[in-house]
Amino acid sequence: EVQLVQSGAEVKKPGESLKISCKGSGYTFTSYWIGWVRQVPGKGLEWMAIIYPGDSDTKYSPSFQGQVTISADKSISTAYLQWSSLKASDTAIYYCARGISIDYWGQGTLVTVSS
Amino acid sequence: QSVLTQPPSTSGTPGQRVTISCSGSSSNIGSNTVNWYQQLPGTAPKLLIYSNNQRPSGVPDRFSGSKSGTSASLAISGLQSEDEADYYCAAWDDSLKGVFGTGTKVTVL
Repeated sequence: EVQLVQSGAEVKKPGESLKISCKGSGYTFTSYWIGWVRQVPGKGLEWMAIIYPGDSDTKYSPSFQGQVTISADKSISTAYLQWSSLKASDTAIYYCARGISIDYWGQGTLVTVSS
Repeated sequence: QSVLTQPPSTSGTPGQRVTISCSGSSSNIGSNTVNWYQQLPGTAPKLLIYSNNQRPSGVPDRFSGSKSGTSASLAISGLQSEDEADYYCAAWDDSLKGVFGTGTKVTVL
């Protein structure tokens, strides 16, 4: 059974850094793209970035390029999304999702950025 | 930043048929397949339709998808109360990114 299990909710202050994770299981992690999708509470889904763990190839939405960093550690089947300096506008639920044509989703990680 | 346009909302009574449209462009829907996702309140999205009109195992055949040119549609026939949710279309864009629709809230009256 394919599963994507994400790290827990985070509360951070503006300017702080953060790295959230997504562990894949039940499939060959290096054979599928895995990415991140943002959802501001009460709003729609926004595609952010994607990585191919097999060769670390990445693609970013222009809206998020330079704002976040996607990475993956294939030795532990885990993908990451990282911020170096959070803003209040980064407050959202972040979902990891498998594939360019998304077929499986993680449960979501709520990130709250507030002073 | 959504580039796929959906109606904000639609509604129907139990048993009715409702359709949701998704309008894109030649760089996304026009040249790639469309998926549809259902998001129940407080939960992660779930794949409902893939490759324009294919249902994953476990998805009722009340849900169907179609695509023509740069537009796609999701139909729900025999509407049920548990279908009350947000629905999103999605496609790959040739500018090398994924794109989602603006989302449609389905209300069962």
